[in-house]
Amino acid sequence: EDQVTQSPEALRLQEGESSSLNCSYTVSGLRGLFWYRQDPGKGPEFLFTLYSAGEEKEKERLKATLTKKESFLHITAPKPEDSATYLCAVQARSYGGSQGNLIFGKGTKLSVKP
Amino acid sequence: ETGVTQSPTHLIKTRGQQVTLRCSSQSGHNTVSWYQQALGQGPQFIFQYYREEENGRGNFPPRFSGLQFPNYSSELNVNALELDDSALYLCASSLEFSRGNEQFFGPGTRLTVL
Repeated sequence: EDQVTQSPEALRLQEGESSSLNCSYTVSGLRGLFWYRQDPGKGPEFLFTLYSAGEEKEKERLKATLTKKESFLHITAPKPEDSATYLCAVQARSYGGSQGNLIFGKGTKLSVKP
Repeated sequence: ETGVTQSPTHLIKTRGQQVTLRCSSQSGHNTVSWYQQALGQGPQFIFQYYREEENGRGNFPPRFSGLQFPNYSSELNVNALELDDSALYLCASSLEFSRGNEQFFGPGTRLTVL
C-alpha cells in the first residue's frame, strides 16, 4: 500500500535555528514527490516537486532533497513567517497514463518564535 | 494568471441534507481533483476529473459525486450528509500532461454538519 509518514508531528524553533523535516514514503513506482505549505484554514501552497533520488531544489530558506525512501525539507535560519504546516505528498505511476492522485502525509506543524 | 477559486467559503448543513461545492480551475488547466481534509490530517483524495469524465476515485462512498464542465470548472456533490463529513474540502487543478503534474489548490470550503 502506498503510504507517506512525516516526522516530527510538530516542531518548535527559535528564529535562526535551522532544522529539517522528514517525509518517509513507500510507493509502487514514484512519479513525483511534492512539498506544500499550508497556513491555518487555507489551501496548501505548492513549494517543490522532486522526481528522482539525488534531486535537490531550493527556494529562499527552504531546500528539499530526495532519496529512494525519504525526502527532507531543510529550513535554514527560519523566520516567524515560516510558521505553517508543511505537507509532503507522493504521486504513484498509474495505469493507462492517467494522472493519479496525491497521497499526503499528516504534515509537520512548524512554529518559529522570535 | 487566475488561480483556483472555490465557493462558498463556509457552509453549515444538518445531517441528511445535500450540499454542492464549486471550483473554478486555474486558467489553462484541464484536470481537477477533490480532496477532503479533516482537522489535523492530510488531505484525502476523493476523485479526479479530466475532460468531463471521472479519472480516478478514492475510498469514498457513492454519495460523493462530481461534475466537470466544458470550461473545466467543477462541482462536488455530497448527499445524505453525515457528521463525519465535516471537513475542509479542497479543489486542485493541474495539467494532465505536465511532467511534474503539480496540483494547485484553492482556498477550500469549510463544511460543518450539525
